[in-house]
Amino acid sequence: DQQVKQNSPSLSVQEGRISILNCDYTNSMFDYFLWYKKYPAEGPTFLISISSIKDKNEDGRFTVFLNKSAKHLSLHIVPSQPGDSAVYFCAASAAGGATNKLIFGTGTLLAVQP
Amino acid sequence: DSGVTQTPKHLITATGQRVTLRCSPRSGDLSVYWYQQSLDQGLQFLIHYYNGEERAKGNILERFSAQQFPDLHSELNLSSLELGDSALYFCASSLFGTFMNTEAFFGQGTRLTVV
Repeated sequence: DQQVKQNSPSLSVQEGRISILNCDYTNSMFDYFLWYKKYPAEGPTFLISISSIKDKNEDGRFTVFLNKSAKHLSLHIVPSQPGDSAVYFCAASAAGGATNKLIFGTGTLLAVQP
Repeated sequence: DSGVTQTPKHLITATGQRVTLRCSPRSGDLSVYWYQQSLDQGLQFLIHYYNGEERAKGNILERFSAQQFPDLHSELNLSSLELGDSALYFCASSLFGTFMNTEAFFGQGTRLTVV
């Protein structure tokens, strides 16, 4: 059962335009969400996160939006640059408890065309 | 460079064999996490160690085991290997035992190919 879903395996965007990557989750206990970026032959690197007490978090060109009622989050990249071309993973975590782990989505490959 | 070191980077072995993957966390980090990324799948959490103690288990097969040593490095042991074990294995580390307030730092991964 995939608790974190990224339904778009790939996305192609023109340089300078907005990239919107989507992520859906099913577990209402998730209260912390992260986006990771992964280049080929490298490990994932942390990009941006959001707590469930917020509905938006912005860091430069990257903004994450959280819609708790819809169990949906999205990552906006504006403006998109060719260097943003990578696989983006959405991840979620539940508070406390004995399990400290991230549940990852399957990733979306973003290609930014010059 | 995330500061997390994984060795080896690539490993090719035959079915039925046993391999050991090694991870050195960032200096000062107490938690080590192991993840498996198979083809067309997201990262699957395997196991988490915090300061030498197992904290959480995910989808880790009984043929797999791990440990974290006093110097905080960790090893993931995979035995009786099957073709389906071919995957990218990532190690991540974080200062604390939870992702709530800190992000994890991932190593480059070990690509295991079972032939």
